[in-house]
Amino acid sequence: AQKITQTQPGMFVQEKEAVTLDCTYDTSDPSYGLFWYKQPSSGEMIFLIYQGSYDQQNATEGRYSLNFQKARKSANLVISASQLGDSAMYFCATGRAGNNRKLIWGLGTSLAVNP
Amino acid sequence: DTGVSQNPRHKITKRGQNVTFRCDPISEHNRLYWYRQTLGQGPEFLTYFQNEAQLEKSRLLSDRFSAERPKGSFSTLEIQRTEQGDSAMYLCASSLRGGAEETQYFGPGTRLLVL
Repeated sequence: AQKITQTQPGMFVQEKEAVTLDCTYDTSDPSYGLFWYKQPSSGEMIFLIYQGSYDQQNATEGRYSLNFQKARKSANLVISASQLGDSAMYFCATGRAGNNRKLIWGLGTSLAVNP
Repeated sequence: DTGVSQNPRHKITKRGQNVTFRCDPISEHNRLYWYRQTLGQGPEFLTYFQNEAQLEKSRLLSDRFSAERPKGSFSTLEIQRTEQGDSAMYLCASSLRGGAEETQYFGPGTRLLVL
């Protein structure tokens, strides 16, 4: 079975500062992927970043980076230089790599960026 | 815009009525997923299609729910005899099987309110 745990219901960050959103996972799959999505108040899920379980390097996409620690089963999202538009819900999810078929999601973290 | 589209965006119905939602995936994507998201929760997997074949259904999908993807393009999700507990955001996503990460891209969702 797969499970995602996001322990931070809400986070605050000052504009232009960096913030880390926590995600721990549990899976029995030997090969898996980890995803982060952003959900603004409009409701649409926006893909941010992906990390494969066999990737040697941490994934980066612009201001987003994923701090992947396989032994600890953690996949934290780091947002650098926060912007007001980053205020949203952030979800961590996991699925079987290469043949995901379905994603298992955490409860999300609400991020508020203060001016 | 070549992203995933969903219609309608909002639906209010009375308990006991039938409703149908439509999802148009990204044109070259062969996999299509339906998720349900209730307030304060992450999305929950409902079902997915590869081309026109429905390959997996969640136990959440009671016999009042039916999904189709008749020509391997758009999909419909029908809920018969709606109940107040069906009130949720229904999210559709599509992906291209075979990609290294097989990222799912989401539509804007359909918000259902059952009175």
